[in-house]
Amino acid sequence: DAMVIQNPRYQVTQFGKPVTLSCSQTLNHNVMYWYQQKSSQAPKLLFHYYDKDFNNEADTPDNFQSRRPNTSFCFLDIRSPGLGDAAMYLCATSRDESRNQPQHFGDGTRLSIL
Amino acid sequence: GESVGLHLPTLSVQEGDNSIINCAYSNSASDYFIWYKQESGKGPQFIIDIRSNMDKRQGQRVTVLLNKTVKHLSLQIAATQPGDSAVYFCAETVGYSGGGADGLTFGKGTHLIIQP
Repeated sequence: DAMVIQNPRYQVTQFGKPVTLSCSQTLNHNVMYWYQQKSSQAPKLLFHYYDKDFNNEADTPDNFQSRRPNTSFCFLDIRSPGLGDAAMYLCATSRDESRNQPQHFGDGTRLSIL
Repeated sequence: GESVGLHLPTLSVQEGDNSIINCAYSNSASDYFIWYKQESGKGPQFIIDIRSNMDKRQGQRVTVLLNKTVKHLSLQIAATQPGDSAVYFCAETVGYSGGGADGLTFGKGTHLIIQP
């Protein structure tokens, strides 16, 4: 089935040690998003790619970066994770033919910081 | 700032009853709304959406109502089942003409609990 796949499901890293989360999609969607979801909170948009165009949210910390080498893959890089970055990170995709299209989410990567 | 919010953090209903989850939004420019269901340890799952040119949309056991006058959105689930237990989020976005895609602004979420 076409889907959004996030690896790994659980990631543990040390305080200050760079970490990369990955997302792949078989939907062939033009847009890919990264959201941060802390415990008992709603997902919060970090940034998104429209094809190769990167769109950063104004309040996303510089510590968070993203790469999209091709249509199918998108990465979230956290350069120096702090304790406050422990969260679920969700990847989502959407088509671009119409502005009114739902986003399709992966099951997330839960990041823990030691 | 403008945001999307939910009235109740937890809703408990009897199995078989109908559930109604409410959502208020404050951005009058919002023109596309989505309800997501999120089970523990999983990503949000699309349930139903509605555009601002509509006031009601029905799916399988679910109905979304949109009242633009008071900026209110609701999700009705008919004959609630144990599998409906989850956190439900409303989300909104402001689209732009000519395509493109914007991120979603999520409400706080309502935890739906089904009692046997």
